[in-house]
Amino acid sequence: QVQLQESGPGLVKPSETLSLTCTVSSGSISSYYWSWIRQPPGKGLEWIGYIYYSGSTNYNPSLKSRVTISLDTSNNHFSLRLSSVTAADTAVYYCAREPPRGRYFDYWGQGTLVTVSS
Amino acid sequence: QTVVTQEPSFSVSPGGTVTLTCGLSSGSVSSTYYPSWYQQTPGQAPRTLIYSTDTRSSGVPDRFSGSILGNKAALTITGAQADDESDYYCVLYMGNGIVIFGGGTKLTVL
Repeated sequence: QVQLQESGPGLVKPSETLSLTCTVSSGSISSYYWSWIRQPPGKGLEWIGYIYYSGSTNYNPSLKSRVTISLDTSNNHFSLRLSSVTAADTAVYYCAREPPRGRYFDYWGQGTLVTVSS
Repeated sequence: QTVVTQEPSFSVSPGGTVTLTCGLSSGSVSSTYYPSWYQQTPGQAPRTLIYSTDTRSSGVPDRFSGSILGNKAALTITGAQADDESDYYCVLYMGNGIVIFGGGTKLTVL
């Protein structure tokens, strides 16, 4: 059973960079798409972007200028960096897997709350 | 900007049938958008219910079904149970690889 686990600071200061890692266990990173999704408190889900195991990426146009998703195949994890954060970036951040040609998310991490505050 | 539309809230009686829909601010939803549906209860990660319009994810009861109804994707729950009370999100894949979540439907079973 594939498991995904998000990790990273729970508190980030405004204007700084949010950094999270998603560790994939009991499965390989190869041949899949890996996404980040977030959910502000009391609100809906928002797709941030994905990275394919080959390294190609695609980002939500509304966040594209501030987002970088990267992959570390040797350590079986992928990461999110979101720059110049504001309070509006406060959310639960989820990582998720998309199977090849699947066009859906089949496994999700449990989520991690990141609060942007001074 | 493309918006994926869902009913903000819906109510169903226990044992009843409810159909939630997923539309586009402009245009029609078809299977080419690979509609998928996710169930989320408070404090939990989303759970995958339906993908590629009508394929149930592993372990999902067959009282959950997906389809295209008219110009929208639809999730139908037949024989609603108390623990179906959740938020339901649809997701559409745009041709350029962009993924868009609907705003979610809060389903009440009472």
